[in-house]
Amino acid sequence: RKEVEQDPGPFNVPEGATVAFNCTYSNSASQSFFWYRQDCRKEPKLLMSVYSSGNEDGRFTAQLNRASQYISLLIRDSKLSDSATYLCVVNPVGGYNKLIFGAGTRLAVHP
Amino acid sequence: GAGVSQSPRYKVAKRGQDVALRCDPISGHVSLFWYQQALGQGPEFLTYFQNEAQLDKSGLPSDRFFAERPEGSVSTLKIQRTQQEDSAVYLCASRRQNTEAFFGQGTRLTVV
Repeated sequence: RKEVEQDPGPFNVPEGATVAFNCTYSNSASQSFFWYRQDCRKEPKLLMSVYSSGNEDGRFTAQLNRASQYISLLIRDSKLSDSATYLCVVNPVGGYNKLIFGAGTRLAVHP
Repeated sequence: GAGVSQSPRYKVAKRGQDVALRCDPISGHVSLFWYQQALGQGPEFLTYFQNEAQLDKSGLPSDRFFAERPEGSVSTLKIQRTQQEDSAVYLCASRRQNTEAFFGQGTRLTVV
């Protein structure tokens, strides 16, 4: 079983739609969690950190469920520019600053 | 520099050739990582440095892969006797303690 698992998609949604991605992780003692965004042929960039209490940044909401070991990302009012691959990232305990990436979920927003 | 810099951006190697990929992290970033990203996959961890110390090399796929960071800044990932399955994008990232990891644009290696 992979340490971090995501539905690869693609998710094809119209502009203005709300879309949600989930991610599960296997190490119950993992410490910190992130969502990164990767555009085609570009490097990954941090979208947002995920806090235990949940957090929101504009149209983006991230939530963590430690009991079920999953992380979610909700995007409201999707824009064409949201089209990208969203990578779920986990920092396992004892892993120094090591970041473990999921395979990514592709999102395509169409007019 | 302002960001993580990797060179070359593209490398075509004949099977069996040795290659060296360079990463210049953000100044002052203690942590440096190498990742391998195959087409359609997420980045896979290769190795991690804290300053000049290589603390984790568990992700290196074989003994043909070797990484170093002798002075705690620039790092080199070397692949000996390249094989076709080594074709991928090699990403370098650097980070201060417990902060955002910044990635370079990567080196796209194609082994023919």
